[in-house]
Amino acid sequence: QQQVKQSPQSLIVQKGGISIINCAYENTAFDYFPWYQQFPGKGPALLIAIRPDVSEKKEGRFTISFNKSAKQFSLHIMDSQPGDSATYFCAVSDSSYKLIFGSGTRLLVRP
Amino acid sequence: GAVVSQHPSWVICKSGTSVKIECRSLDFQATTMFWYRQFPKQSLMLMATSNEGSKATYEQGVEKDKFLINHASLTLSTLTVTSAHPEDSSFYICSAGTAQTQYFGPGTRLLVL
Repeated sequence: QQQVKQSPQSLIVQKGGISIINCAYENTAFDYFPWYQQFPGKGPALLIAIRPDVSEKKEGRFTISFNKSAKQFSLHIMDSQPGDSATYFCAVSDSSYKLIFGSGTRLLVRP
Repeated sequence: GAVVSQHPSWVICKSGTSVKIECRSLDFQATTMFWYRQFPKQSLMLMATSNEGSKATYEQGVEKDKFLINHASLTLSTLTVTSAHPEDSSFYICSAGTAQTQYFGPGTRLLVL
């Protein structure tokens, strides 16, 4: 059973546009929701994370929206740039500190 | 801050040999480190949790006798792939951090011939 479902699988956005990636989870015990960015051949880099006591968190061009009742959270990349082209993973975690990753979204930002 | 390194960055070995991968937290101490495996165009799959001074905890389906983990200090964990076979070829990534905030190493590409 997939504990976190991520969509879309791939995404193409024009430069300057907004990229939106969604994740849904089932287990209400999860209390930490990070997003990671990964470039080919590199390890994932932590972008931004949120806890369920807030509905939105913004860091620069990256925003997480969190809907606790729907058990969904999303990443919004504003003013998308070609350098943002990468694979993005959502993840969930509970008190074990283990990260369970979504299946990933390949983002391509066209110039 | 929060830099995690891995060594080597890539390794090619013959089938049947063992390979050791090191994971270091460079600017902080990590009582817990995690090891992941990532196949091409797939997500990261947690293999095991490495705890300093105690035995590692393996995820279901991961052979603990094949993937030996040692967490000798608060800044170093090692993963040894014993008797490697071509199907073990993958991208191995470690993470370390404080509580749920995990920082990942750059990964080690393993190719078993």
